[in-house]
Amino acid sequence: NAGVTQTPKFRVLKTGQSMTLLCAQDMNHEYMYWYRQDPGMGLRLIHYSVGEGTTAKGEVPDGYNVSRLKKQNFLLGLESAAPSQTSVYFCASTKPGHSIEAFFGQGTRLTVV
Amino acid sequence: EDQVTQSPEALRLQEGESSSLNCSYTVSGLRGLFWYRQDPGKGPEFLFTLYSAGEEKEKERLKATLTKKESFLHITAPKPEDSATYLCAVQSSGSARQLTFGSGTQLTVLP
Repeated sequence: NAGVTQTPKFRVLKTGQSMTLLCAQDMNHEYMYWYRQDPGMGLRLIHYSVGEGTTAKGEVPDGYNVSRLKKQNFLLGLESAAPSQTSVYFCASTKPGHSIEAFFGQGTRLTVV
Repeated sequence: EDQVTQSPEALRLQEGESSSLNCSYTVSGLRGLFWYRQDPGKGPEFLFTLYSAGEEKEKERLKATLTKKESFLHITAPKPEDSATYLCAVQSSGSARQLTFGSGTQLTVLP
C-alpha cells in the first residue's frame, strides 16, 4: 500500500517555465490537498478538492492551478514559475468523516531560479 | 481566521530529560487538533487527534493534552530517535477538513 505518492521529488525550474506536480493516492480518499512549506511559516494550503471534478482555493492560491480528473489523482500546475514559488510542496488526502487525519506524501522540493 | 502558534521554535534536550511543547490556537469552532511528526526530507506523519478540552492521548513516550486555548505535547524520557520537528494543526468546523498549521518545534535529543 503506497499511500500518497508525489512526483517528481526534486525539480529546478527557470523563471517563466511551467510544470505540473502529480499526486496519486491509493486509499480511495475523497478529499485531497496541496500545501507548501516554507521555513518559519509552517504548511499553507494552496488548493484542495472534495471530490472528483471539484477544486477550491486555499490560503495561497495565486500562481497555481489544479485539476482532479480522477479520484486518485490531484495535479498542481505552475503556469509561469517565479522565484517566490521556491518551496517544498506536499500533497495530502483524507476520507470523509469527523476529524479524520490527513495522510501526506513525501514532498516535492522545487527551486525556481 | 484560524491561527496556530507553537513554542518554542527549537528545543534541545539531553536523553532522558523530559519536557513539553506548546501549541496555542484560535479557531472558529474546533473540529479537531492534530499533532504530526516530521523528519527531515519527509512528509508529516500523524501522531494524535484531540477533539475536546480535557482529552489526553498517549503513544510511547509522547502524551498530548488539550485545553480550550492550547495543547501540550509532553515528551517523557526522550531518546535521540525522538528528534524531529513536531507540528500542531487545527481543523475548524467550517472547513472542508483542511488543516491550519503552526510553524513547528524542532526537537533535538542529544545522547
